[in-house]
Amino acid sequence: EIVLSQSPDFQSVTPKEKVTITCRASQHIGTNLHWYQQRPDQSPVLLMKYASQPMSGVPSRFSGSGFGTDFTLTINSLEPEDAATYYCHQSGSVPLTFGGGTKVEFK
Amino acid sequence: QVQVVESGGGVVQPRRSLRLSCAASGFTFSDYAMHWVRKAPGKGLEWVAVISYDGRNKDYANSVKGRFTISRDNSESTVFLQMNSLTDEDSGVYYCAKEGYMNGYGLYYFDHWGQGTEVIVS
Repeated sequence: EIVLSQSPDFQSVTPKEKVTITCRASQHIGTNLHWYQQRPDQSPVLLMKYASQPMSGVPSRFSGSGFGTDFTLTINSLEPEDAATYYCHQSGSVPLTFGGGTKVEFK
Repeated sequence: QVQVVESGGGVVQPRRSLRLSCAASGFTFSDYAMHWVRKAPGKGLEWVAVISYDGRNKDYANSVKGRFTISRDNSESTVFLQMNSLTDEDSGVYYCAKEGYMNGYGLYYFDHWGQGTEVIVS
């Protein structure tokens, strides 16, 4: 099973700040790494597929990068609606796995 | 517009069974693999099971293997999750998710999620 180690677990932020979330895979997964945003009391939403491809409608302040075992989700100039938990997910092999999540909360 | 709607959650006693359903619309259901993902209280997302577009292939998380069974009825655009021998560790919100690639099987992203159905084992 591929383990995804996500950091940080929690980030306290202010508006306009930049946040960087990392996800490290225990095995090489190429770019089979995807990012989801889950706002409080809502279902997860796909933000980024294959490490760096934003989904339609995702604001340009979100960007992703990485290959192999190390991946990053960056949110530039945070907006209040970005308060959420962010998860990485690998589809390199079954069983599929998620990172533990990063909760982004405004001060 | 793609819609995925789960149902069947509720309160169930330990060691009993429960069957979840997920009704899909807005896309050609028989072309896509479908997944179940759950979120336990205070914990992160956990993938549970996948079924291929034609129902021939299935896979499960180790934590549910031998207890849960995923199935689908393409004529009704519905996917099911039969959950047996439930424990309190199975409590949580269960999401149905559509795979984002036609005729895929497991190795792709989830592009649409339902609103979830809550299971409480107590």
